[in-house]
Amino acid sequence: DTEVTQTPKHLVMGMTNKKSLKCEQHMGHRAMYWYKQKAKKPPELMFVYSYEKLSINESVPSRFSPECPNSSLLNLHLHALQPEDSALYLCASSPRGEDTDTQYFGPGTRLTVL
Amino acid sequence: AQSVTQLGSHVSVSEGALVLLRCNYSSSVPPYLFWYVQYPNQGLQLLLKYTSAATLVKGINGFEAEFKKSETSFHLTKPSAHMSDAAEYFCAVSGAYGNNRLAFGKGNQVVVIP
Repeated sequence: DTEVTQTPKHLVMGMTNKKSLKCEQHMGHRAMYWYKQKAKKPPELMFVYSYEKLSINESVPSRFSPECPNSSLLNLHLHALQPEDSALYLCASSPRGEDTDTQYFGPGTRLTVL
Repeated sequence: AQSVTQLGSHVSVSEGALVLLRCNYSSSVPPYLFWYVQYPNQGLQLLLKYTSAATLVKGINGFEAEFKKSETSFHLTKPSAHMSDAAEYFCAVSGAYGNNRLAFGKGNQVVVIP
């Protein structure tokens, strides 16, 4: 099973709302990633968790808050977002977080901020 | 810093014709190179990867790529395009950070003409 699942598929939220995105994998992978992708652009790395510890934060605004409760689950908590945060949010996982690893991507959550 | 360059954002190819997508990399260390495909409203799927074994890499869906160190290239080819090949294709490189951080190219939108 090489599947990464993400919920919800679509999310519409106002600028004062608090919401969360969820990502799950059951491949035994120890590295998990959040990416943001705008239309017609490549994914931009936001956060990396390695062995359930935050190892990379690409200077992401604090209105995005990641959480890794266990090795299979990754959350992204959203609060006070701006319309420019509207994008496709992709989660990925890889076996060990090493350079030769393949990253397996989920289908994404399409976020619209009104 | 590592980077990849993909020229020509839009590539049109006739059904049955050769698909050729160019990727040139810049890396101060031996690179690991990846090609991903993204179908509309989906996440990224690995087509193939190079991790310093054979220089000619075969992937899924009839795609292959050849690593040429002298040309710093990793071009993607498929002998005969199919309508189902219409998608966005991203080249990516890792290898300098030890944490599987991928640097993506800008992508190629492939259109297949019947």
